[in-house]
Amino acid sequence: QVVLTQSGAVLMKPGSSVKVSCKASGDSLSGFGVSWLRQAPGRGLEWIGSVTPKFTRTEYGPRFKGRVAITADGSTNAAYMEIGSLRSEDSAMYYCARGGGIGGDWFEPWGQGTLVTVSS
Amino acid sequence: DIQMTQSPSSLSASIGDRVTITCRASQNIDQFLNWYQQTPGKAPKLLIYGSSHLFGGVPSRFTGSGSGTEFTLTINSLQPEDFGSYFCQQSYSTLYTFGQGTKLEI
Repeated sequence: QVVLTQSGAVLMKPGSSVKVSCKASGDSLSGFGVSWLRQAPGRGLEWIGSVTPKFTRTEYGPRFKGRVAITADGSTNAAYMEIGSLRSEDSAMYYCARGGGIGGDWFEPWGQGTLVTVSS
Repeated sequence: DIQMTQSPSSLSASIGDRVTITCRASQNIDQFLNWYQQTPGKAPKLLIYGSSHLFGGVPSRFTGSGSGTEFTLTINSLQPEDFGSYFCQQSYSTLYTFGQGTKLEI
């Protein structure tokens, strides 16, 4: 079964960019979509965007379009999310999950999460 | 966007109780509704997909039902490990959206 391992916690300055990685082991990522989600402290879950199976297309939530880029690499079996123009409201736990990009899909398993803190 | 509304937002219950959480969609989503459980400090885990299908390894005390715009998650005979937060999520649209969550406390 696939296990997703994310890169470590980061502290970023407002206005900067951050790239978070999600490495899969135990199975190939390319047969499934990969999604990124986030959760601000004490808040609910928010879908950021997904790359479809075989990494053919990406889709982003309206709040993130133009500021986020999701990529995936079959050769390294990893996915990446880069978010730019960071502001304090972007401070959250960011998760990758297998799934997404197609209707009727679900998210499972999830990575362990990457804490992104935006502060001057 | 499809808006998802959960109720209640928090719930207190005891070991052995039966609890029900409701999720309503702002439009018809057929049966494209998933439920997740999150315990403190952990990533969410899938419990139920497609409104009523139990994900592998999830105890049978969890059941889901509903279609269209109204859905329920029922937990029979609450166990200590069931306390945490529960989220519904629609996958009718690939602009996925979640309910705001229900915190289940002892």
